[in-house]
Amino acid sequence: AQSVTQLGSHVSVSEGALVLLRCNYSSSVPPYLFWYVQYPNQGLQLLLKYTSAATLVKGINGFEAEFKKSETSFHLTKPSAHMSDAAEYFCAVSGSGGYQKVTFGTGTKLQVIP
Amino acid sequence: DSGVTQTPKHLITATGQRVTLRCSPRSGDLSVYWYQQSLDQGLQFLIQYYNGEERAKGNILERFSAQQFPDLHSELNLSSLELGDSALYFCASSVDGGGRYGYTFGSGTRLTVV
Repeated sequence: AQSVTQLGSHVSVSEGALVLLRCNYSSSVPPYLFWYVQYPNQGLQLLLKYTSAATLVKGINGFEAEFKKSETSFHLTKPSAHMSDAAEYFCAVSGSGGYQKVTFGTGTKLQVIP
Repeated sequence: DSGVTQTPKHLITATGQRVTLRCSPRSGDLSVYWYQQSLDQGLQFLIQYYNGEERAKGNILERFSAQQFPDLHSELNLSSLELGDSALYFCASSVDGGGRYGYTFGSGTRLTVV
């Protein structure tokens, strides 16, 4: 079984500051990991995904995440926050074998302060 | 446009009533997933269909049912509606029966039970 834990349900950063959203995973098999973003009144949109090809994954809108097996982490970062980054972010995990569905974290709401 | 189409976008109905939510997956995707998102429960997995057959069940109430048709569109039926069923209902699709490629989400149906 897989699970993810997102540390911090709310994160506030100043515009231009580093964005760091934390995610730790638990998986009995090599995982596939994802970050999704949800803007108000919209569905979830895939930001990036790790599927074992490279530990540093680059996604859309300048976001990236690094897979660290030793720390069972997959934190999301962006060097400089923009007002348009204000949204809710979900970390998710899936097992790499067979028909294993994606399990989502509880989400982190990012507030960007001008 | 994600390619996953959900109708209707908004639905207001009275307690005790029955409604049907519809989802058309992205072209080529065989799996459909239904999620419920509310403020107090977060994102809850309800049910998955793969190529017409039920594949996995989550926290779906007995008053709720779903099916996937030969053309791969899916319907979620909610009956004997209660105030607590008010939520955003998302449909997602994937090309396979698992999560290795991530999911594509629709924009959701906002259900309000009054």
